[in-house]
Amino acid sequence: DQQVKQNSPSLSVQEGRISILNCDYTNSMFDYFLWYKKYPAEGPTFLISISSIKDKNEDGRFTVFLNKSAKHLSLHIVPSQPGDSAVYFCAASFSSGGGADGLTFGKGTHLIIQP
Amino acid sequence: GAGVSQSPSNKVTEKGKDVELRCDPISGHTALYWYRQSLGQGLEFLIYFQGNSAPDKSGLPSDRFSAERTGGSVSTLTIQRTQQEDSAVYLCASSPGRRAKNIQYFGAGTRLSVL
Repeated sequence: DQQVKQNSPSLSVQEGRISILNCDYTNSMFDYFLWYKKYPAEGPTFLISISSIKDKNEDGRFTVFLNKSAKHLSLHIVPSQPGDSAVYFCAASFSSGGGADGLTFGKGTHLIIQP
Repeated sequence: GAGVSQSPSNKVTEKGKDVELRCDPISGHTALYWYRQSLGQGLEFLIYFQGNSAPDKSGLPSDRFSAERTGGSVSTLTIQRTQQEDSAVYLCASSPGRRAKNIQYFGAGTRLSVL
């Protein structure tokens, strides 16, 4: 049973346009969410995060939106650049309580930026 | 070379053999995580070490999997009597502490192929 779902395995966007990557979660106890970016043959690298007390976090071209009632978050990249082509993983965790704080990942979305 | 280092980068083994995968975390990071990514799947949490505390093994898929972390630094993931379904990329991550806001930094992974 997947607790973090990325329903689009791939997404193709034209350079300069907006890329929107979506993520849904089922466990309402998650209260911290992260996006990681992965190039082939490399480990995932942290991109941006958001706490459940916020509904938006922005860092340069990257903005993450959180809709707690819908258990949905999205990553917006504006404007999209060729170097943004990668696999993007959505991840969720519990910031408090017991447990390992291991991240629960979605299956990833392969973003392809077309020139 | 301040990143997380994993070795070997690739490992091919025969079914039934034991394998050891190594992770060198970022110096000073007290938390260390192992994940695996099977083909077409997201990252699956395996085990977590925090300082000198007993590890959280809740993600290990079977008793054929074990991990150690010596001296609070280097970690070894051991898979005994490997099976074909163990074929995956095994990723190690470290972070400065236990809290979710401590970003996890990943190594490039070990690609394990069990023939």
